[in-house]
Amino acid sequence: DTAVSQTPKYLVTQMGNDKSIKCEQNLGHDTMYWYKQDSKKFLKIMFSYNNKELIINETVPNRFSPKSPDKAHLNLHINSLELGDSAVYFCASSQQAGSQETQYFGPGTRLLVL
Amino acid sequence: AQSVTQLDSQVPVFEEAPVELRCNYSSSVSVYLFWYVQYPNQGLQLLLKYLSGSTLVKGINGFEAEFNKSQTSFHLRKPSVHISDTAEYFCAVSQDYKLSFGAGTTVTVRA
Repeated sequence: DTAVSQTPKYLVTQMGNDKSIKCEQNLGHDTMYWYKQDSKKFLKIMFSYNNKELIINETVPNRFSPKSPDKAHLNLHINSLELGDSAVYFCASSQQAGSQETQYFGPGTRLLVL
Repeated sequence: AQSVTQLDSQVPVFEEAPVELRCNYSSSVSVYLFWYVQYPNQGLQLLLKYLSGSTLVKGINGFEAEFNKSQTSFHLRKPSVHISDTAEYFCAVSQDYKLSFGAGTTVTVRA
């Protein structure tokens, strides 16, 4: 009964591979997000979807492509993985898209690119 | 554009002692301010948030924060910490649907 879940929890892969991370929320929220946390623990937003529509798209390489098949899911596909993609990726959700909204975070996916 | 500065990267503290984590923000317009906590190997969890009204905000686990508009600060405090408060603490400002985080403060509580 986890509110925001991510799979896989750990991902170790070779440079150049393509990989996907999945996120699901059972909170009935309209808005979902992807964040990247680097090795210095700095957190930066990557994307946000509201009702399956992209509303935030930060300066992220085109190799990263989010997909929201429905309001409860937001997946992240990464093509041609690079060493610098190694990080912890967090999914989050909020009831609505709004600056006052509390965001609920998943446990993170630890990606290591070799 | 808004930014957040957390003035202390690491704060060691003894159990049952008070702790204060400092956060300053810069923004040209009104903002909403948040404190999140990240326990080891976990996701972030909201401690408290300031939207409007009373400048003293109470959160979970005995934490509170004070919004000071003139000093553009939102410092987090707890009067008596426990070992279980060992974690990473993030101050964040929300504007235009986006959360912008500070670099984080690592709090280590020792017995």
